[in-house]
Amino acid sequence: QKEVEQDPGPLSVPEGAIVSLNCTYSNSAFQYFMWYRQYSRKGPELLMYTYSSGNKEDGRFTAQVDKSSKYISLFIRDSQPSDSATYLCAMSEGANNLFFGTGTRLTVIP
Amino acid sequence: DVKVTQSSRYLVKRTGEKVFLECVQDMDHENMFWYRQDPGLGLRLIYFSYDVKMKEKGDIPEGYSVSREKKERFSLILESASTNQTSMYLCASSGGTRDIQYFGAGTRLSVL
Repeated sequence: QKEVEQDPGPLSVPEGAIVSLNCTYSNSAFQYFMWYRQYSRKGPELLMYTYSSGNKEDGRFTAQVDKSSKYISLFIRDSQPSDSATYLCAMSEGANNLFFGTGTRLTVIP
Repeated sequence: DVKVTQSSRYLVKRTGEKVFLECVQDMDHENMFWYRQDPGLGLRLIYFSYDVKMKEKGDIPEGYSVSREKKERFSLILESASTNQTSMYLCASSGGTRDIQYFGAGTRLSVL
């Protein structure tokens, strides 16, 4: 079993839709949770960072962590074509190494 | 802004060649990482380094080596390139305790 599971998609939504991206994990020691966005043929860039459980909002993006269920989510409101990318979840225990999901490819159709 | 620079965006090499991929970061980060990224497999850690001249094997070190002679620079070496090393290679760096990694733009390597 992988430490981090992420549905690879692909996911296609119309412009303006609410998008929900999710990851599950098995290691209860994870306490730092991140979402990266990767455009085609580019490196991943940090989108959201959360420590421990709870929600964090940044503009149209909301990151949610439920440690009791070992489940994290990224919500994108009013999705735009420019949101079309692969989204990677990542998490760590605080010991320098990150564990990544395989990524979900999202396409927002104008 | 953190900047992680990879020396090449695209490389084409022949089987058996020795290949050097260079990565430089400008934030005085202690930690540097090399990953490869393949469709359906996600990011896989090849090697990482916590300090100058220190290196640790990741999940898939076979066929690779690394060098970290200066804090800002971390090199990945393919001693004898093979076709199954055709991939996207990503360098990252991190510092402090929050484990956020900052990535370069990637090097797309084709081995023919």
